[in-house]
Amino acid sequence: TQLLEQSPQFLSIQEGENLTVYCNSSSVFSSLQWYRQEPGEGPVLLVTVVTGGEVKKLKRLTFQFGDARKDSSLHITAAQPGDTGLYLCAGASRGSTLGRLYFGRGTQLTVWP
Amino acid sequence: DAMVIQNPRYQVTQFGKPVTLSCSQTLNHNVMYWYQQKSSQAPKLLFHYYDKDFNNEADTPDNFQSRRPNTSFCFLDIRSPGLGDAAMYLCATSRGESGYTFGSGTRLTVV
Repeated sequence: TQLLEQSPQFLSIQEGENLTVYCNSSSVFSSLQWYRQEPGEGPVLLVTVVTGGEVKKLKRLTFQFGDARKDSSLHITAAQPGDTGLYLCAGASRGSTLGRLYFGRGTQLTVWP
Repeated sequence: DAMVIQNPRYQVTQFGKPVTLSCSQTLNHNVMYWYQQKSSQAPKLLFHYYDKDFNNEADTPDNFQSRRPNTSFCFLDIRSPGLGDAAMYLCATSRGESGYTFGSGTRLTVV
């Protein structure tokens, strides 16, 4: 059973388009993180959201944590080929010890020039 | 720069031949993790160390072992690799609930 469900699993778009990736769960998380992973590399942390309803912006990327702290979204404005990669969400459950994270399966984004 | 370094980046091993993957960190993080990631799948936690305390996931096969001789180093030993163990192995570190810092991974091929 996947604790975190990400959708869509694959996304292929043209440069300049906008997109949204979703991360959903029936569990409550104390914090949620988004990572981007490029082929042959480890994931790189993009952002951590900790407060229900929180919105964080990182240049053209906007991250939102749901009010109930069960879901999150990543919105990219005017996507560029450099945004191509695997986007992973990961949640730290309430009461989890030692920062244990649960990962979603990821969304593979391809942005064509 | 402080970082997590995994060696080697690519490892080819024979079926059944023991193999060791290594991870080192300069972040002085007290928690270190080993994840297995197969194609199009989420990273799967194998085990983690909180300082010297070892925590094994319930579904991690006995074939996988780990050692952490000091704060900076952590090793993943696969005693008898099978074809199904071919994957990317990721080492990560953290302090508390801060974000993970991942290494670049070791791509393991079993022939």
